[in-house]
Amino acid sequence: AQTVTQSQPEMSVQEAETVTLSCTYDTSENNYYLFWYKQPPSRQMILVIRQEAYKQQNATENRFSVNFQKAAKSFSLKISDSQLGDTAMYFCAFMSYSTDKLIFGTGTRLQVFP
Amino acid sequence: NAGVTQTPKFQVLKTGQSMTLQCAQDMNHEYMSWYRQDPGMGLRLIHYSVGAGITDQGEVPNGYNVSRSTTEDFPLRLLSAAPSQTSVYFCASRLGQALAQETQYFGPGTRLLVL
Repeated sequence: AQTVTQSQPEMSVQEAETVTLSCTYDTSENNYYLFWYKQPPSRQMILVIRQEAYKQQNATENRFSVNFQKAAKSFSLKISDSQLGDTAMYFCAFMSYSTDKLIFGTGTRLQVFP
Repeated sequence: NAGVTQTPKFQVLKTGQSMTLQCAQDMNHEYMSWYRQDPGMGLRLIHYSVGAGITDQGEVPNGYNVSRSTTEDFPLRLLSAAPSQTSVYFCASRLGQALAQETQYFGPGTRLLVL
């Protein structure tokens, strides 16, 4: 069975600083996607960044970047220059080509302080 | 483009009542799915559909029914509500199953309280 683990239930960071959220996953598949979703207090699920497993280059989206370590099955999210608007729950998610189902971790609550 | 819409936003039910959560998308997406979100458990897949007329079970399907008569709509039915079904429900859609069609778009959620 495929699983996604987020071992940090809560994290905090000061505005303008950098924070890294951890995510590990377990799969025997070789072809899959990984995602980070943000859920602010509005509850809307917002895609932050995605990574295809066949790509060695780490994905980046403005202040958001990932450290994808396929052999270690690790997919961490780095937020640079943190902003107050980054305060939210962050979910790591996995989807393999074969099962085609999105599997979520339990989330990390990030608080950005002024 | 309204994206993925869900109604109602909030609903209170009594144990044993039935109701339908509505979900619609106007992006011509083939793939639609329902999740529930509970504290400390992330989002779990209830049912999904890869196209009109086709549905399948996800991780936690018991107590829920779905149908997909059109591409646009994917309603979720609670047959006999139980307090364990108190949750926030999200509908999501994506273009298809092919490569580069994998990004899911989520609706705003329906908060359900079963007394």
